[in-house]
Amino acid sequence: DQQVKQNSPSLSVQEGRISILNCDYTNSMFDYFLWYKKYPAEGPTFLISISSIKDKNEDGRFTVFLNKSAKHLSLHIVPSQPGDSAVYFCAASDRGGGSNYKLTFGKGTLLTVNP
Amino acid sequence: EADIYQTPRYLVIGTGKKITLECSQTMGHDKMYWYQQDPGMELHLIHYSYGVNSTEKGDLSSESTVSRIRTEHFPLTLESARPSHTSQYLCASSESKRTRATDTQYFGPGTRLTVL
Repeated sequence: DQQVKQNSPSLSVQEGRISILNCDYTNSMFDYFLWYKKYPAEGPTFLISISSIKDKNEDGRFTVFLNKSAKHLSLHIVPSQPGDSAVYFCAASDRGGGSNYKLTFGKGTLLTVNP
Repeated sequence: EADIYQTPRYLVIGTGKKITLECSQTMGHDKMYWYQQDPGMELHLIHYSYGVNSTEKGDLSSESTVSRIRTEHFPLTLESARPSHTSQYLCASSESKRTRATDTQYFGPGTRLTVL
């Protein structure tokens, strides 16, 4: 049973527009969420994270929004650039519940930014 | 950001061979992890370690083994490789903190293993 779901396998946007990547989770004990970006044949690169005590975290062009009641988070990229084209993974952790900081990952969304 | 290295980046071997995938980090992180990932799928945790001489199996059953004799080094070994072991293997590390501020995992470039 997948605890972290990224229901859109792919997303295509135009350069300069906003990219919105979505992630849903089922485990209410998750209290820390991360987004990673991955190019083919490379390891994931950490982008941005958010703790469950916040509902928004911003870092440059990247903003993550967390809606705890809906168990939903999203990553906004504004403006989108061709170099943003990659697979984006959502991950979650139950840091307070003794899971020892293990991350649970979604299956990823392939973002393509067209020039 | 952590400096974490994996070798080899690509490996093609025959069935039955013993292999070791190397992972090293230079940030002094106490926690290290091995994940397995197939295309279009999520990353699955197969092993983790909280420090020297500490190793645990992850959520996905794996025939591989790991060791942690030094803080910076976390090699993964397959005694007898099979085609079902074909996958990408990703190593990661993170730092323990007393506060709940962050526990971000930083990944190496991965090893793409193909067993013929």
